Amino acid sequence: EAEVAQSPRYKITEKSQAVAFWCDPISGHATLYWYRQILGQGPELLVQFQDESVVDDSQLPKDRFSAERLKGVDSTLKIQPAELGDSAMYLCASSTRGGAVDEQFFGPGTRLTVL
Amino acid sequence: AQSVTQLDSHVSVSEGTPVLLRCNYSSSYSPSLFWYVQHPNKGLQLLLKYTSAATLVKGINGFEAEFKKSETSFHLTKPSAHMSDAAEYFCVVESGTYKYIFGTGTRLKVLA
Repeated sequence: EAEVAQSPRYKITEKSQAVAFWCDPISGHATLYWYRQILGQGPELLVQFQDESVVDDSQLPKDRFSAERLKGVDSTLKIQPAELGDSAMYLCASSTRGGAVDEQFFGPGTRLTVL
Repeated sequence: AQSVTQLDSHVSVSEGTPVLLRCNYSSSYSPSLFWYVQHPNKGLQLLLKYTSAATLVKGINGFEAEFKKSETSFHLTKPSAHMSDAAEYFCVVESGTYKYIFGTGTRLKVLA
């Protein structure tokens, strides 16, 4: 069964350092999402891609976060510099076309700890 | 704006007894609604979705949910809990622009 792949699974870094997360969606899925899930809360959308284009990054802290999906397939989320409050689980999801009733398929996530 | 409220942060049931996880939504129109489950160290998995067809939706692993517009609710139920059901459950509303709005989650504990 096809799955969304993410790496690394765990990342520990010191504040002010740069970190990057990678996501490979299910083959053929045009829509890709990055979420942040703080412990004890539900996931919150950071950025949504349709193919290689950003369609929603309204909740992305653009002073320190960036995301790209250059060829419309895999994607990278970067934080520079990392802050203590960035400690969270970062989830990637994909769906076929991003429609209202499309199921989003989630990867296992990257757990980030900022010291 | 759309929002979703999960009324219980923690629910404990005994194995073999019914499960009820409560979710209320707020929306200016009839939205699409979902329930996802998150097991430790695993990705979120779709349990079921409501898309304005039948109000009683059946999902995987014996779960079902009923959409009640008059009560703005979408509670998740299962007749008999199994130990493997222990996990975090999220109620999700579609925001109108193909975005998901997640609830804060309900942690289900199943007692032997």
